[in-house]
Amino acid sequence: RKEVEQDPGPFNVPEGATVAFNCTYSNSASQSFFWYRQDCRKEPKLLMSVYSSGNEDGRFTAQLNRASQYISLLIRDSKLSDSATYLCVVFEGSSASKIIFGSGTRLSIRP
Amino acid sequence: NAGVTQTPKFQVLKTGQSMTLQCAQDMNHEYMSWYRQDPGMGLRLIHYSVGAGITDQGEVPNGYNVSRSTTEDFPLRLLSAAPSQTSVYFCASRLQKPGLAGVRGYNEQFFGPGTRLTVL
Repeated sequence: RKEVEQDPGPFNVPEGATVAFNCTYSNSASQSFFWYRQDCRKEPKLLMSVYSSGNEDGRFTAQLNRASQYISLLIRDSKLSDSATYLCVVFEGSSASKIIFGSGTRLSIRP
Repeated sequence: NAGVTQTPKFQVLKTGQSMTLQCAQDMNHEYMSWYRQDPGMGLRLIHYSVGAGITDQGEVPNGYNVSRSTTEDFPLRLLSAAPSQTSVYFCASRLQKPGLAGVRGYNEQFFGPGTRLTVL
């Protein structure tokens, strides 16, 4: 089993739709969780951190479920510019020195 | 403040050649790392460093060497290039210590623009 698993997609949804994807992790001692966004042929960039109590950043909501070991990302009112690959990232280790990336979920928003 | 820079952007090598991918950051970050990204496999950690003079292996270190003589620079050396090393390589940096919850950006990893390497 991979340490961090994501549905590769692609998710193809119309503009304005709500879309959600999950990411599961295998190490129950994992400490920190993030969603990164990667545009085609570009470097990954931080989208948002994921906090235990859940957090929102505009149209984006991230949730953490430690009991079931998954994190989720919800995008409301999707825009064409949201088309990208979304990477789930998990930090492990006493000083978070081990960083594990999921293979990414591709999202395509159509007009 | 240039962030993380990588050179070259593109490179084509023949099997058996050696080369060095350069990475530099000007944010005084302690932690630097190298990843390779292949289709369908996400980013895999090659080597990382938690400070000048300290390096360690990641998930896929074979065929690569690193050194960290300064805080700013973290070059990746391919000793004898093989077609299996055809990939996109990203360098990244961040502050070493885990941040406090709610302090945005403290744990953020900053990536360079990548080097696209083809080995023939």
